[in-house]
Amino acid sequence: EVQLVESGGGLVQPGGSLRLSCAASGFTVSSNYMSWVRQAPGKGLEWVSVIYSGGSTYYADSVKGRFTISRDNSKNTLYLQMNSLRAEDTAVYYCARDHCSGGSCYQNYWGQGTLVTVSS
Amino acid sequence: QLVLTQSPSASASLGASVKLTCTLSSGHSSYAIAWHQQQPEKGPRYLMKLNSDGSHSKGDGIPDRFSGSSSGAERYLTISSLQSEDEADYYCQTWGTGTYVFGTGTKVTVL
Repeated sequence: EVQLVESGGGLVQPGGSLRLSCAASGFTVSSNYMSWVRQAPGKGLEWVSVIYSGGSTYYADSVKGRFTISRDNSKNTLYLQMNSLRAEDTAVYYCARDHCSGGSCYQNYWGQGTLVTVSS
Repeated sequence: QLVLTQSPSASASLGASVKLTCTLSSGHSSYAIAWHQQQPEKGPRYLMKLNSDGSHSKGDGIPDRFSGSSSGAERYLTISSLQSEDEADYYCQTWGTGTYVFGTGTKVTVL
């Protein structure tokens, strides 16, 4: 059974840093595309970042240069390092396993999310 | 620019059907999309991938009440025999090289 469990969220001051973790089970993180998606309070879903199985990484413009996605193959865990945090980064952050077929990709398994609050 | 447009809300009575629409921006009418459901206070759940020809593949355990269809740049999600647990937000999503795009979501209310 595929499971994704996020952790690491919390309250952080503007300008601060936080590292989110996503522990995966039931599949191998390094063999899949993996994404982070966030949802600000009362808002819709916003894609944040993806890491491909080959190691390439991509970011939304809103976080480029501030966030870094990575994985630890030995721990089968996905990470999101968030630096220079802003109030507008306040959101629930979801980890997702992506699936690609027929030339398109999408999230086919989701975690339950971890809340990040950026406030002084 | 790759954009997905969804109506903000839809409603139907218990046991009835509702059809949601997701419209792809100009020049992207051949793109496949995915539909995701988000029940209140829960994480999203993948429902199905929907191709431009209307063929679709559902996620694990998704009931037959959920079906997809396509016409031009429009992608549809039909929920038949509405249940109370279908009251949720529904998001469409697509993919471009190195980026994902979500629609703004449709809130479905079961009357």
